[in-house]
Amino acid sequence: TQLLEQSPQFLSIQEGENLTVYCNSSSVFSSLQWYRQEPGEGPVLLVTVVTGGEVKKLKRLTFQFGDARKDSSLHITAAQPGDTGLYLCAGAVLIQGAQKLVFGQGTRLTINP
Amino acid sequence: DTGVSQNPRHKITKRGQNVTFRCDPISEHNRLYWYRQTLGQGPEFLTYFQNEAQLEKSRLLSDRFSAERPKGSFSTLEIQRTEQGDSAMYLCASSLSGGGYGYTFGSGTRLTVV
Repeated sequence: TQLLEQSPQFLSIQEGENLTVYCNSSSVFSSLQWYRQEPGEGPVLLVTVVTGGEVKKLKRLTFQFGDARKDSSLHITAAQPGDTGLYLCAGAVLIQGAQKLVFGQGTRLTINP
Repeated sequence: DTGVSQNPRHKITKRGQNVTFRCDPISEHNRLYWYRQTLGQGPEFLTYFQNEAQLEKSRLLSDRFSAERPKGSFSTLEIQRTEQGDSAMYLCASSLSGGGYGYTFGSGTRLTVV
């Protein structure tokens, strides 16, 4: 069973601060994705990382895939209230040639004005 | 294309009743996935289809659950004899074939069993 652990599970910080969310596993994934979910809605894809050590930036968000492709991090610079939401990491495992995503339990982020 | 559409958005049912949910994926996507999400947790995999073929079912999917995707287009998820433990958000997602493609999720169906 693949298991993705996200930390912290809850984070509440002030606007303008920086933060990092971690996603860890003992398993190797072919790729890893980060999603953001608003209450009552489905997750929305933010980024996909595929290569070990890969770093991708999306405005103030920086995503990194671990060298061994077992872990990832999401760093937000100068957080804004609009960043509030549930952040989910998901690792891709191959089943019969097709990928299936296994999700972490999520990090609920609250940015206070 | 308006993305992945799920109906209904909300369903309240009495314990023991049957319910059916529908998912209309993005038309170009040949893969369709069903996930279940309970409060405070990430989505849990239930099953997935490649075109009309159901390729994997999770052990979470008891014999009360059945999913179909006739003609490789829309999909339905039916829960028979609902139990209070079935209360959750049921999410549908679709994607293209091949590795590295992200999923496009629908807004989900919130099921409450009373």
